[in-house]
Amino acid sequence: GENVEQHPSTLSVQEGDSAVIKCTYSDSASNYFPWYKQELGKRPQLIIDIRSNVGEKKDQRIAVTLNKTAKHFSLHITETQPEDSAVYFCAASEYGNKLVFGAGTILRVKS
Amino acid sequence: DTEVTQTPKHLVMGMTNKKSLKCEQHMGHRAMYWYKQKAKKPPELMFVYSYEKLSINESVPSRFSPECPNSSLLNLHLHALQPEDSALYLCASSPWEAVNQPQHFGDGTRLSIL
Repeated sequence: GENVEQHPSTLSVQEGDSAVIKCTYSDSASNYFPWYKQELGKRPQLIIDIRSNVGEKKDQRIAVTLNKTAKHFSLHITETQPEDSAVYFCAASEYGNKLVFGAGTILRVKS
Repeated sequence: DTEVTQTPKHLVMGMTNKKSLKCEQHMGHRAMYWYKQKAKKPPELMFVYSYEKLSINESVPSRFSPECPNSSLLNLHLHALQPEDSALYLCASSPWEAVNQPQHFGDGTRLSIL
């Protein structure tokens, strides 16, 4: 089955700096890669996703890149703000829309 | 505002109790999911319903029994749970059960087993 590795496990950045979180996946058949943000005590919130026929997708300060050959994808957050502080999970989609999540990255934005 | 509603928000139960978790969505989605999330861990898939039929059971113990009465509702019946079952139980929905359909989560039920 699919296996997703996520790095780093924690990331501290200064407000206004950029943050990058990287994930690798094992199953070359996976073709959907969402990113979720989860604040403490709240639900995972879908912030951006990318499909395998696209190499990059942007939504304001957030972007995701996908390299299918290398089987890795990354989340980029520019101009970070304190409210970006949360746990971020990457995921890859297997059969039947089964999402396999990475272990998560705790992002701290220091003001 | 979440479009997937879960009740109750918190539940404390003994190991011999029977309780149910409820999930409701009114987005017209035809796929619904149950996930379990332990503290500081990612969500783990338990069940997938597609068009009100169970399509995926991730080898979940029988003390967890899912039910999908209609396309908007998803229940999780609990019986004889163990302390290690204490976790956040998340419901999600997507337009249909196909790869690349975005899943939207509810706020979850935080379950504690005494």
